[in-house]
Amino acid sequence: DGGITQSPKYLFRKEGQNVTLSCEQNLNHDAMYWYRQDPGQGLRLIYYSQIVNDFQKGDIAEGYSVSREKKESFPLTVTSAQKNPTAFYLCASSIGLAGVSGTGELFFGEGSRLTVL
Amino acid sequence: DQQVKQNSPSLSVQEGRISILNCDYTNSMFDYFLWYKKYPAEGPTFLISISSIKDKNEDGRFTVFLNKSAKHLSLHIVPSQPGDSAVYFCAAVNAGKSTFGDGTTLTVKP
Repeated sequence: DGGITQSPKYLFRKEGQNVTLSCEQNLNHDAMYWYRQDPGQGLRLIYYSQIVNDFQKGDIAEGYSVSREKKESFPLTVTSAQKNPTAFYLCASSIGLAGVSGTGELFFGEGSRLTVL
Repeated sequence: DQQVKQNSPSLSVQEGRISILNCDYTNSMFDYFLWYKKYPAEGPTFLISISSIKDKNEDGRFTVFLNKSAKHLSLHIVPSQPGDSAVYFCAAVNAGKSTFGDGTTLTVKP
């Protein structure tokens, strides 16, 4: 089945620790994205990548880092510099960069819920 | 400043009736507008889209209307079904980025 796989589904972290969320896609999509959702709010863009070895900051990139060494993979690291990391994190992909190649339809994974203890 | 707003946090309708979800935006540079549906603890799934050069797009029970002069779009679901109960997000696309509203929780009562 083609799709996006995020792991882990649930993650607990102590303050001061870095954690890495995994995102893998087998849709052969060029573009990948990381969003954060807080209760009662919409999705806010953290980072996005159009091609391998290239990525751009979104609206709330501070305290996060990413890499794009393979087309299929776009891991997100939540660093200790992120002041309020408890949230639901969503990875998405699209055929091309949203609005540049096509309508920008995003395919989402099932999400990872991070809780800081 | 929030560029995409969904002013109604929740909407409740009777099964078989029409559901109308609204979305307002401020940036006239948006190229596409999309609606996504989301169930709890899952990722959103794409529902329907519309280009900024169109004013209507229909797909089965779902129709999206775009009023560019008012910077307003709406999603109509007719007839509404209990399985439509979910959170609906409006999203606007420009220059590689999608900007989302805060969502509207739709409840369809049997």
